[in-house]
Amino acid sequence: KAGVTQTPRYLIKTRGQQVTLSCSPISGHRSVSWYQQTPGQGLQFLFEYFSETQRNKGNFPGRFSGRQFSNSRSEMNVSTLELGDSALYLCASSVIAGTGKQETQYFGPGTRLLVL
Amino acid sequence: GNSVTQMEGPVTLSEEAFLTINCTYTATGYPSLFWYVQYPGEGLQLLLKATKADDKGSNKGFEATYRKETTSFHLEKGSVQVSDSAVYFCALSDRASGTYKYIFGTGTRLKVLA
Repeated sequence: KAGVTQTPRYLIKTRGQQVTLSCSPISGHRSVSWYQQTPGQGLQFLFEYFSETQRNKGNFPGRFSGRQFSNSRSEMNVSTLELGDSALYLCASSVIAGTGKQETQYFGPGTRLLVL
Repeated sequence: GNSVTQMEGPVTLSEEAFLTINCTYTATGYPSLFWYVQYPGEGLQLLLKATKADDKGSNKGFEATYRKETTSFHLEKGSVQVSDSAVYFCALSDRASGTYKYIFGTGTRLKVLA
């Protein structure tokens, strides 16, 4: 079974631009979560999508948004990029059969974003 | 709120030494607990997990036991190798709210010297 894939792997943008990152979950997984990883802040939860609906959201400004498609693929978008948005963005997928169920998250390799 | 606390790194050991990385948590309800490992330039890989008290997760020589009385999930390995050099993250899955989300510790960097 193929793992979680993320595209692109590396990205360089300038301040003020916007960026869209893509995540394809493991086949059959319906939940996709996004995280931002930086040396200073560690791993921070951005949001989680399940069946095309955002179910959980972290403490990030509205410039960070996401969506999920009917095939469970997900995208996240960052508008008006700032230097502090430079980070590794990780996507994770899980089966999640329903609310209250514990399911293991499997991570993709990440997209490394550099904002100049 | 829920939280995970890991020991500060880096941890530097010689090959074949015994490893312990401490992890304690604060949570309402009954979370599942995880250890993930991140090698340079890669995403996180699940190392092991435990879903209820007294469960022991194990994989590739690593072990961790879910201790509810001490709210701990310490990672151990009897004999580390150079290839174990990586960053290790402890995490919990919070299900008290009906849905779930993961809370990660800050990570502990392990460096194993030949």
